[in-house]
Amino acid sequence: QVQLQGSGPGLVKPSQTLSLTCTVSGGSISSGYYYWSWIRQPADKGLEWIGRVSTSGSTEYNPSLKSRITMSVDTSKNHFSLKLKSVTAADTAIYYCARDWGTGTFDLWDQGTLVTVSS
Amino acid sequence: QSALTQPASVSGSPGQSVTISCTGTSSDVGAYDYVSWYQHHPGKAPKLIIYEVTNRPSKISDRFSASKSGNTASLTISGLQPEDEADYYCNSYTNTTTRVFGSGTKVTVL
Repeated sequence: QVQLQGSGPGLVKPSQTLSLTCTVSGGSISSGYYYWSWIRQPADKGLEWIGRVSTSGSTEYNPSLKSRITMSVDTSKNHFSLKLKSVTAADTAIYYCARDWGTGTFDLWDQGTLVTVSS
Repeated sequence: QSALTQPASVSGSPGQSVTISCTGTSSDVGAYDYVSWYQHHPGKAPKLIIYEVTNRPSKISDRFSASKSGNTASLTISGLQPEDEADYYCNSYTNTTTRVFGSGTKVTVL
């Protein structure tokens, strides 16, 4: 069955760029009419949708983060990626990648990647 | 975009029912039948338990049910069990094609 696995550095310095990748296994990222989203959860806070990318490369971002986000997809590698620039301590969170039906329905999630922003 | 409003916590004894509300606006919850609900045990991946307002994925217990009226969606857990103790989040599609989560509700089984 299709599974997601996020990966990337667990520690990023303030003002630098956070980079994460989510690899899809057990199926093609291009199968079906899905989008691929990133969601995060700071410690002791709720879930926050970051944005989504389609397999054609179109993107939609959370307005509050839009100026700092870049999402992309590489269908040949069956993965999609997130870049968040100019990070601060407020960006410390568990970052999840998820399959998105395009309607805010996220049916598959990875286990999450903890990213800490600290010098 | 502001988070949808959920109560911070609800509690109930085993076997009882609890209901969690999720209040948005006419630009999100009230605009589309695209409300979903997620169960989140800390340290684990969130799990989809309701999609498109009322639908349960296969393998999700029928003790979970949901509805929507106007700008407010609701999730009901019937026959509360110890394993239902978790955080619950609603999510809605919005009229700007983004998605917004609720603030989250901690369910405690007494």
